[in-house]
Amino acid sequence: GEDVEQSLFLSVREGDSSVINCTYTDSSSTYLYWYKQEPGAGLQLLTYIFSNMDMKQDQRLTVLLNKKDKHLSLRIADTQTGDSAIYFCAESINSWGKLQFGAGTQVVVTP
Amino acid sequence: SQTIHQWPATLVQPVGSPLSLECTVEGTSNPNLYWYRQAAGRGLQLLFYSVGIGQISSEVPQNLSASRPQDRQFILSSKKLLLSDSGFYLCAWSPHGPGNTIYFGEGSWLTVV
Repeated sequence: GEDVEQSLFLSVREGDSSVINCTYTDSSSTYLYWYKQEPGAGLQLLTYIFSNMDMKQDQRLTVLLNKKDKHLSLRIADTQTGDSAIYFCAESINSWGKLQFGAGTQVVVTP
Repeated sequence: SQTIHQWPATLVQPVGSPLSLECTVEGTSNPNLYWYRQAAGRGLQLLFYSVGIGQISSEVPQNLSASRPQDRQFILSSKKLLLSDSGFYLCAWSPHGPGNTIYFGEGSWLTVV
């Protein structure tokens, strides 16, 4: 199975907040990432957090990290239709930048 | 600023035909380079990575190979494609050194028929 686990699907109403959850296994991971993939496109880096941080906020995005439980979440405030995409959680698993990805969470924003 | 380009964006190839996907990075030197594959409805799988010219590491046994003839050029190849090679292939780069963020290209859709 995947070393990084995410729920596969999330439906949210426009204007509400979205929360995407992720669990990882490598406690030595130094960086954890969130990527966004729109249909037919490559991956866009949304944000990342260092393992010595608990929270990072960037405009509508808030990342929370619980190292004890190896749990990472991404909160999108005021979700818009343009936020509909697949969101991937990833952890760095070695020093030169190899990432282990989750299977992705498909977020569907409804009017 | 740094940019990454990969091509072609889409291709349909018959079983048994060869494959060549190209990727170039601009605006940086000595990057780490990667090829990932995303099968339909699944996550990303790292296929190859390279930390320098001519240095290729393979993550999974497969029908594909990679080469890095120049510092910022990464090529994914196959001599004879299989149906199972169909998927979305993503080239990526990161600055050389530990713990750096990976940036992805736009991807190439390969359908083997």
